[in-house]
Amino acid sequence: DGGITQSPKYLFRKEGQNVTLSCEQNLNHDAMYWYRQDPGQGLRLIYYSQIVNDFQKGDIAEGYSVSREKKESFPLTVTSAQKNPTAFYLCASSTTPVWGNTIYFGEGSWLTVV
Amino acid sequence: KQEVTQIPAALSVPEGENLVLNCSFTDSAIYNLQWFRQDPGKGLTSLLLIQSSQREQTSGRLNASLDKSSGRSTLYIAASQPGDSATYLCAVRPNTGNQFYFGTGTSLTVIP
Repeated sequence: DGGITQSPKYLFRKEGQNVTLSCEQNLNHDAMYWYRQDPGQGLRLIYYSQIVNDFQKGDIAEGYSVSREKKESFPLTVTSAQKNPTAFYLCASSTTPVWGNTIYFGEGSWLTVV
Repeated sequence: KQEVTQIPAALSVPEGENLVLNCSFTDSAIYNLQWFRQDPGKGLTSLLLIQSSQREQTSGRLNASLDKSSGRSTLYIAASQPGDSATYLCAVRPNTGNQFYFGTGTSLTVIP
């Protein structure tokens, strides 16, 4: 089935560690996104990529990094510079305007700092 | 910058009631608006997509309307069921730029 796969579902990070969240899609979408969701808050955009080897910062990019070496993959690294990383992270991809510009989401990854 | 608001933040209704969820946005220059459902600890599932040229979309018991000029959309749920309990979010895609803007959602509880 086509879709977006995020892994791991649950991740624990020690203080000072970098961790990487995986996002893979087989929908052949050009655009991919990373959002952060905190309890009681809406989705906040971390990074997005419209095409391979190109990405742009969103509203809360500080302390995060991404790469887009393949169309299917858009991993997110949460660095030790991110002071409050405990949150629910959602990866998404979207179709082009020709196809309605619909956005689709993965099942999310929970990151907890211990 | 586009701002999206959803009121109320939470809603509780008895089973069988019809209900309306609201979404408002500040900039009417949108490409489309999408409604999502989110179950606890899960990703977002797309319910309905309304293009800017459309006034409404229907899927089963769900009907979404769009009034661009007033910056408002509503999601109507008919004959609510306990399985409808979830958080409902709306998102707008502006005409320019490459981002989607999300509301904070309405948490719906349908009481059996």
